Amino acid sequence: DAGVTQSPTHLIKTRGQQVTLRCSPKSGHDTVSWYQQALGQGPQFIFQYYEEEERQRGNFPDRFSGHQFPNYSSELNVNALLLGDSALYLCASSYSTEQYFGPGTRLTVT
Amino acid sequence: GESVGLHLPTLSVQEGDNSIINCAYSNSASDYFIWYKQESGKGPQFIIDIRSNMDKRQGQRVTVLLNKTVKHLSLQIAATQPGDSAVYFCAENTNRDDKIIFGKGTRLHILP
Repeated sequence: DAGVTQSPTHLIKTRGQQVTLRCSPKSGHDTVSWYQQALGQGPQFIFQYYEEEERQRGNFPDRFSGHQFPNYSSELNVNALLLGDSALYLCASSYSTEQYFGPGTRLTVT
Repeated sequence: GESVGLHLPTLSVQEGDNSIINCAYSNSASDYFIWYKQESGKGPQFIIDIRSNMDKRQGQRVTVLLNKTVKHLSLQIAATQPGDSAVYFCAENTNRDDKIIFGKGTRLHILP
């Protein structure tokens, strides 16, 4: 049984560009959460998707948006990239309790 | 939100000794607590969790203690091994389906 998978592994973008990150949840999981982890810090909650709708959101600007598909996979979109958006972006899936994290996508904005 | 510095506190432990990692949580309404282990280049990995109606829970080589009076969590790792080297995060939430709030991480360094 594959765990949570994320793509791409690494990504380099230029300021002002847009980026889309992808996540496939663990089999049987219907809820996907996204986190941003800056270097040397703990993950910060961005938002959570359930039944294809955003259920809860953290303190992130509208430049951060997402989507969940009928197969429960999810995308994170970031528009107008800033240097400060450079971070590890983590996806976590869950069914009811424990959240399982993927390996993350390392985004570098230059 | 919580404030987390760029420089993680580090705990150095001799291989074979017990490790104790401490964490102060922020929300007195939190009712579910989790410890995660994060190795370099990987996402956080679940270690053990505890509900607010408990004060101790044991797993394989790990024990979590919860003191709600002072809003304090600790993770005890018995007979620390080289594979235990990682950053450890405590986390909390008020609803198991809601967002998880991560605390400050602690880097565990194992001495040979």
